[in-house]
Amino acid sequence: GAVVSQHPSRVICKSGTSVKIECRSLDFQATTMFWYRQFPKQSLMLMATSNEGSKATYEQGVEKDKFLINHASLTLSTLTVTSAHPEDSSFYICSAGAGDQPQHFGDGTRLSIL
Amino acid sequence: GENVEQHPSTLSVQEGDSAVIKCTYSDSASNYFPWYKQELGKRPQLIIDIRSNVGEKKDQRIAVTLNKTAKHFSLHITETQPEDSAVYFCAQLGGSYIPTFGRGTSLIVHP
Repeated sequence: GAVVSQHPSRVICKSGTSVKIECRSLDFQATTMFWYRQFPKQSLMLMATSNEGSKATYEQGVEKDKFLINHASLTLSTLTVTSAHPEDSSFYICSAGAGDQPQHFGDGTRLSIL
Repeated sequence: GENVEQHPSTLSVQEGDSAVIKCTYSDSASNYFPWYKQELGKRPQLIIDIRSNVGEKKDQRIAVTLNKTAKHFSLHITETQPEDSAVYFCAQLGGSYIPTFGRGTSLIVHP
């Protein structure tokens, strides 16, 4: 069964709306979680590293004020896409793992901004 | 920085043939190399992995080989089946514990 749960799986909303995506590790504690964005037929693009109890580390070119990340507990990280616009439409996916152990991915969230 | 190159980007084979996907990496500190399979619209799933202290690992029809000297690792799928059709990603993990993914290989197995 899934060890990482991601919700919601699909969001369709109007431009200007803020959208929150949750990523939970179900049976292990994850001090670090990763957030990716994936465009059609492309690889996983790392957006940021979510660190429990501290600020997220963003990759170059990713706007931290646009993509807010909160990792308040060892089992939950959230990504909020603020004031979303059509260009933010994409497949967002999280992963979690401990240290050098395999990463487990959530089911992903398909975000569509009208 | 860490970089992973993956080839080919597309691989088309007949059912029953073997498929090989290769990745090269640049970080000499890399010590963990997983392979993921992603079906359309779904999450990547770990199918096999290898650590730097071994050169080969097998799991039924799937095998991974690692050459640390040359800094490359490969995924081998034998007796391919149509349900093997998917996008496959290699990845590497080094001292930073931040995984770096290859660009992916779209494998198409024709019945």
